[in-house]
Amino acid sequence: ETGVTQTPRHLVMGMTNKKSLKCEQHLGHNAMYWYKQSAKKPLELMFVYNFKEQTENNSVPSRFSPECPNSSHLFLHLHTLQPEDSALYLCASSQDPSGGASEQFFGPGTRLTVL
Amino acid sequence: GQNIDQPTEMTATEGAIVQINCTYQTSGFNGLFWYQQHAGEAPTFLSYNVLDGLEEKGRFSSFLSRSKGYSYLLLKELQMKDSASYLCAVLDSNYQLIWGAGTKLIIKP
Repeated sequence: ETGVTQTPRHLVMGMTNKKSLKCEQHLGHNAMYWYKQSAKKPLELMFVYNFKEQTENNSVPSRFSPECPNSSHLFLHLHTLQPEDSALYLCASSQDPSGGASEQFFGPGTRLTVL
Repeated sequence: GQNIDQPTEMTATEGAIVQINCTYQTSGFNGLFWYQQHAGEAPTFLSYNVLDGLEEKGRFSSFLSRSKGYSYLLLKELQMKDSASYLCAVLDSNYQLIWGAGTKLIIKP
């Protein structure tokens, strides 16, 4: 595997379900990100982890819970979601962003539908 | 607040040239990125500008004017595969990327 991978690619869940999204980067980066992408809206940054420490939480509802066990893996745990949470969830990675501008590499995303 | 503006959609003809504009108002500036995103795929990096001027990379060029809060992406010799969304993003003073909503570019034969 190369680059940034995400699983699953598609997910349909009910509002009472619990599921997890997985992201893995094979680029040796130190920072990982979760974004939400809704149609015709800007990418919304949800969480940032730098060297496994969460450095950003952009007022994301508690029904989204991130986990970063090491600098190569990132999870997004989902529970009791709402239909408006349906979107494309993108994972990205980069070198340490505090060290200066650094290109972000994106995974293919998980298309989430909440019924 | 922080704001990135770019047109929602543009249409161009195969073989032609198109310019996609981006204006921004952010708290601080540490550079501007352009990404390309094909439908159903991940965004991929196209260019990064931090100093004023034009950066050329093959058929794609990106321009920045920091005093005007303005950038454009210029695509030459358009090909059908260039049909995609083009995302403008600014790195703010906290080194966080602020994203525009993207410009969907439609290429017609």
